[in-house]
Amino acid sequence: AQSVAQPEDQVNVAEGNPLTVKCTYSVSGNPYLFWYVQYPNRGLQFLLKYITGDNLVKGSYGFEAEFNKSQTSFHLKKPSALVSDSALYFCAVRDPNTGFQKLVFGTGTRLLVSP
Amino acid sequence: NAGVTQTPKFRILKIGQSMTLQCTQDMNHNYMYWYRQDPGMGLKLIYYSVGAGITDKGEVPNGYNVSRSTTEDFPLRLELAAPSQTSVYFCASSARRDSNSNQPQHFGDGTRLSIL
Repeated sequence: AQSVAQPEDQVNVAEGNPLTVKCTYSVSGNPYLFWYVQYPNRGLQFLLKYITGDNLVKGSYGFEAEFNKSQTSFHLKKPSALVSDSALYFCAVRDPNTGFQKLVFGTGTRLLVSP
Repeated sequence: NAGVTQTPKFRILKIGQSMTLQCTQDMNHNYMYWYRQDPGMGLKLIYYSVGAGITDKGEVPNGYNVSRSTTEDFPLRLELAAPSQTSVYFCASSARRDSNSNQPQHFGDGTRLSIL
């Protein structure tokens, strides 16, 4: 069965500094990977996905993610953090053995960007 | 453009009561999902539907039921509420573009449910 691990419960970064939110995955077959963001009292919002192709995927709000097959990782990155990026971030992997988007989510990483 | 709408936003139930969480989407999406979110646990899939009249169990279906009579609506029913069902419930939908269907899921803002 597929799984996703987000090893950090919280990441702290100062505004203007680069940020990285880590994600590793385990899946049999080609991984389909996603990042979502959740703001307080709201549902999740899609940021980006990796299906195939370039290992560096660009998404919404200036975020990008790097797919690394050898390290089974899909870390979320942003060159310059904003206070407004503070939120809960979820990595997810799709079961490649179904023709349906059945996602398995990580436990989430809280990003706190200080002014 | 409303997207995915969930009602109610908050609810307190007594043990043994029943209720239906409503979810409707206006994007003509084939796929719909119900998740529950517990602190530190991420999201767990309760039920999903690939189209009107078709539903299937997810990872944690016990204690819940669903129906999908229309493309737009996907209600979740709790028959006998238990304290373990205290959680935040999210409904989501996504489009089916191809056989692999990797379209983003669109989420509602959730229903916060407490069972006392």
